Amino acid sequence: NAGVTQTPKFQVLKTGQSMTLQCAQDMNHNSMYWYRQDPGMGLRLIYYSASEGTTDKGEVPNGYNVSRLNKREFSLRLESAAPSQTSVYFCASSPGRGNYGYTFGSGTRLTVV
Amino acid sequence: QQQVKQSPQSLIVQKGGISIINCAYENTAFDYFPWYQQFPGKGPALLIAIRPDVSEKKEGRFTISFNKSAKQFSLHIMDSQPGDSATYFCAASMTDSNYQLIWGAGTKLIIKP
Repeated sequence: NAGVTQTPKFQVLKTGQSMTLQCAQDMNHNSMYWYRQDPGMGLRLIYYSASEGTTDKGEVPNGYNVSRLNKREFSLRLESAAPSQTSVYFCASSPGRGNYGYTFGSGTRLTVV
Repeated sequence: QQQVKQSPQSLIVQKGGISIINCAYENTAFDYFPWYQQFPGKGPALLIAIRPDVSEKKEGRFTISFNKSAKQFSLHIMDSQPGDSATYFCAASMTDSNYQLIWGAGTKLIIKP
């Protein structure tokens, strides 16, 4: 099993450009999450999807949008990238109700110049 | 009240020693306390977790100690090895939160040979 797959692994954007980060899980998990990780800031939740068909804002949603395309896929879109969005982005999934264990992808390192 | 405070920020331990990382919380509704381990360039991975109905949980060299009255929990790594060098995150969650994890800021652990 691949677990959680994120693409791309690395990306450089110019300020104002847009892009979509892709995430897919093959564990039949109900819940999916997008985090950003910055030095000294730990993991901050951007958006999450508790189940297929629902999405909710997390701690730092400004400048991002998400789509839960189906049960497997949860994408994160930056409409107009800003240097403050330079970060490492992690997608995670969990079985949902009754089971809290998160499985993370290997991350996307994004630089906005 | 939603915060989880983790200390220390960084820790250096000699090979064979005991590594101890501490976390504290305020919200007594939290009912699940996991620890995640993250190696450079990888996503965090679940290491061990505890619920508040037990005071200690051991898996191999890793032990969680939980003090409900003090609202604190800690990770102990016995006989620390260079391969344990990683960043460790504590977290907390509660049943009514859509199973979102509230994360500590992380501890960078270095085990010296």
